[in-house]
Amino acid sequence: DAGVTQSPTHLIKTRGQHVTLRCSPISGHKSVSWYQQVLGQGPQFIFQYYEKEERGRGNFPDRFSARQFPNYSSELNVNALLLGDSALYLCASSLRQGALRVYGYTFGSGTRLTVV
Amino acid sequence: KNEVEQSPQNLTAQEGEFITINCSYSVGISALHWLQQHPGGGIVSLFMLSSGKKKHGRLIATINIQEKHSSLHITASHPRDSAVYICAVCGNYKLTFGKGTLLTVNP
Repeated sequence: DAGVTQSPTHLIKTRGQHVTLRCSPISGHKSVSWYQQVLGQGPQFIFQYYEKEERGRGNFPDRFSARQFPNYSSELNVNALLLGDSALYLCASSLRQGALRVYGYTFGSGTRLTVV
Repeated sequence: KNEVEQSPQNLTAQEGEFITINCSYSVGISALHWLQQHPGGGIVSLFMLSSGKKKHGRLIATINIQEKHSSLHITASHPRDSAVYICAVCGNYKLTFGKGTLLTVNP
């Protein structure tokens, strides 16, 4: 069974451009979360989607948006790229959303975005 | 103050040494994760725990919910253990991460 797959693995964009990152969760997982990891820091929460609805959003500007498709894959979109958006973008999938029971997360290898 | 604090930030050890990495958190959680990240960036989940202690091979993780503290221990450390170890606490819908501990094990 494939793990969490993210594409592309590496990407170079120019300031002001738009980027779309993609994530396919583990088969059967219905929850996808996106995290941004700037060099030297721990990952920061951007979005969580569960059953195709946004269930949580971190402290990121409106330039960041995401969606989840019927097959539970997800896209993260970033508009008007800034140099500070350069980071590793991680996707994590989980069987279900949290609360009464804790479900583990499986991470993809990430997309390394460089904005020049 | 960050919600999740790890110590130390950097740790250098000789092969065979016993390693301890600490994590303290200030928020209510449903579980705590210990994760390993290699230079390529991919994150591997080592443990998820909500109470007590878990062991997997040479790795041991403990958590004290009352004291809001967890530790990751590595026995008989090996150069291949060199990586960044990250503590992350699980709320309702998201993980909150510490900044990580860079472990270097020298032969």
